[in-house]
Amino acid sequence: NAGVMQNPRHLVRRRGQEARLRCSPMKGHSHVYWYRQLPEEGLKFMVYLQKENIIDESGMPKERFSAEFPKEGPSILRIQQVVRGDSAAYFCASPREGGPDTQYFGPGTRLTVL
Amino acid sequence: AQSVTQLDSHVSVSEGTPVLLRCNYSSSYSPSLFWYVQHPNKGLQLLLKYTSAATLVKGINGFEAEFKKSETSFHLTKPSAHMSDAAEYFCVVSEAGGTSYGKLTFGQGTILTVHP
Repeated sequence: NAGVMQNPRHLVRRRGQEARLRCSPMKGHSHVYWYRQLPEEGLKFMVYLQKENIIDESGMPKERFSAEFPKEGPSILRIQQVVRGDSAAYFCASPREGGPDTQYFGPGTRLTVL
Repeated sequence: AQSVTQLDSHVSVSEGTPVLLRCNYSSSYSPSLFWYVQHPNKGLQLLLKYTSAATLVKGINGFEAEFKKSETSFHLTKPSAHMSDAAEYFCVVSEAGGTSYGKLTFGQGTILTVHP
């Protein structure tokens, strides 16, 4: 887990507000995967980004969710007009040596929507 | 399409006894298989990874897993449970050899409880 940072660790929002989740991958790495863990479920893939490019967003909900990974700064997962069903833990991961599927995970952001 | 089924949602053992967490997978390509562990309110830690070098994979903390292609299984075992092993365990498959760019598919998780 060393090196992948996420903030905030906990985020509370009221319905209708926006949530911004940040992920900084391991130093020198330019690939980020985002996963969502709903209560009582395993993690589910959301989106895969490289710097300035979305490679695979097949797991992203069609509305209200977006992700970016700018040339400078962290990757951002943005949820507009949050609803209670968005309450979950959101993890990002950065590939490590051994291949793109061997990933370090960050500590996660736990989003609670009131 | 790939999928993972963890056969037990909860497993309870006594400290010092063996642990068996069961996992079956489905994959169109030659899969990479993993076990991750998640302690309460923590991130995920990689326990071990199978590629194709050896069917018996040794991981951290005394865990190991055996890949059985004929049974499409990848069960996780440990000879003697410790209290610190209490956590949730995820079996994970990746088809990095296909077009999925390392996208991981997680099982539903197995919560391991260890009794003194």
